Amino acid sequence: GAGVSQSPSNKVTEKGKDVELRCDPISGHTALYWYRQSLGQGLEFLIYFQGNSAPDKSGLPSDRFSAERTGGSVSTLTIQRTQQEDSAVYLCASSASGEQYFGPGTRLTVT
Amino acid sequence: AQKITQTQPGMFVQEKEAVTLDCTYDTSDQSYGLFWYKQPSSGEMIFLIYQGSYDEQNATEGRYSLNFQKARKSANLVISASQLGDSAMYFCAMREGIRSGGYQKVTFGTGTKLQVIP
Repeated sequence: GAGVSQSPSNKVTEKGKDVELRCDPISGHTALYWYRQSLGQGLEFLIYFQGNSAPDKSGLPSDRFSAERTGGSVSTLTIQRTQQEDSAVYLCASSASGEQYFGPGTRLTVT
Repeated sequence: AQKITQTQPGMFVQEKEAVTLDCTYDTSDQSYGLFWYKQPSSGEMIFLIYQGSYDEQNATEGRYSLNFQKARKSANLVISASQLGDSAMYFCAMREGIRSGGYQKVTFGTGTKLQVIP
């Protein structure tokens, strides 16, 4: 079956612009996670969704970051007024009750 | 305190040899799960193996086995007969809150970079 998909795969944006990153989880997976990974670093937790609600937003770095999930499926991570330090790979993962399945990531470059 | 600690930023192993990647964890939950993921240079995250806190047997998946020592709170990954394709970053992760039926927090370690030498 289809895995987790993310779009776009690459995004180059100018500092100060807003960006939207999309995650399409595996059908039926109720849990959805967003992570950020800077070059050569580990995974930084951003936000977790159970269904459409986000019980844990503690990882969002600032109020410029927001995320939503609709219909218990697709999720969008929005970064407003992007800064150069936002440059990273943004990974999305979904799970049913076991391991997480990761998407290929979106590489964001802020110039 | 760190939830997941991987103390080896980098490891080398000779091809065909076995290697152990260390992972210790910290939780007050009685029911939790431990995972290992592989991330090759291509960037994809690949699930390798899972160990539940109540599982009595150590998990094994092909050449991968998890040396689970609950009292020591360690969950080391053992890769037998290393292959060149095993060169990658390896992340240990823990899922808590399983019994609560609600939020299940997942925490990742900082990773170990394994390089297999021909």
